[in-house]
Amino acid sequence: DVKVTQSSRYLVKRTGEKVFLECVQDMDHENMFWYRQDPGLGLRLIYFSYDVKMKEKGDIPEGYSVSREKKERFSLILESASTNQTSMYLCASSLGGRGEKLFFGSGTQLSVL
Amino acid sequence: EDKVVQSPLSLVVHEGDTVTLNCSYEVTNFRSLLWYKQEKKAPTFLFMLTSSGIEKKSGRLSSILDKKELFSILNITATQTGDSAVYLCAVEIGANSKLTFGKGITLSVRP
Repeated sequence: DVKVTQSSRYLVKRTGEKVFLECVQDMDHENMFWYRQDPGLGLRLIYFSYDVKMKEKGDIPEGYSVSREKKERFSLILESASTNQTSMYLCASSLGGRGEKLFFGSGTQLSVL
Repeated sequence: EDKVVQSPLSLVVHEGDTVTLNCSYEVTNFRSLLWYKQEKKAPTFLFMLTSSGIEKKSGRLSSILDKKELFSILNITATQTGDSAVYLCAVEIGANSKLTFGKGITLSVRP
């Protein structure tokens, strides 16, 4: 079974802090994604990566950056956390090619106070 | 702008009922449509549809795509309390196969 592991289930940070959300997948997948999920807004794509050291902006990249130094690890960085970044963050991976069957991690509920 | 719209946004039914969940889309360069079930945290994959009119089935769940009218439905027959979840529809778009999600449908199945 594919496993996508997010390092924290719950995280509480202060406004202005730098926040790292880590995601690791164990199935040698090419593609990795970061989404945020908010009530009434659904899942929105922040950033994605199709290869090591490669990244592309999704629909809402403002206030975020990412890092993919190794194939299995994709990190989401909030350079200076703000209260409007309080959300559920979901990492996902997929094998690549046509038909993006995503495998999701369990999510990180981030609260920025 | 690419759009994926799910309806209804929420639904309450009793065990044994049959439900139909809707997903319509307006996108450029459609490639496929996917359904996911989200019970607690991680959405889990249900179906991927690429061709019109071909039903995908898994137990009590089934789904079909209409590429002419630009929608898909997810049917659940003989619902059980374990079917209570958020059902997400996503459309794969474009050459880079990006997924755009709808807002989800919250289904509650009462005993």
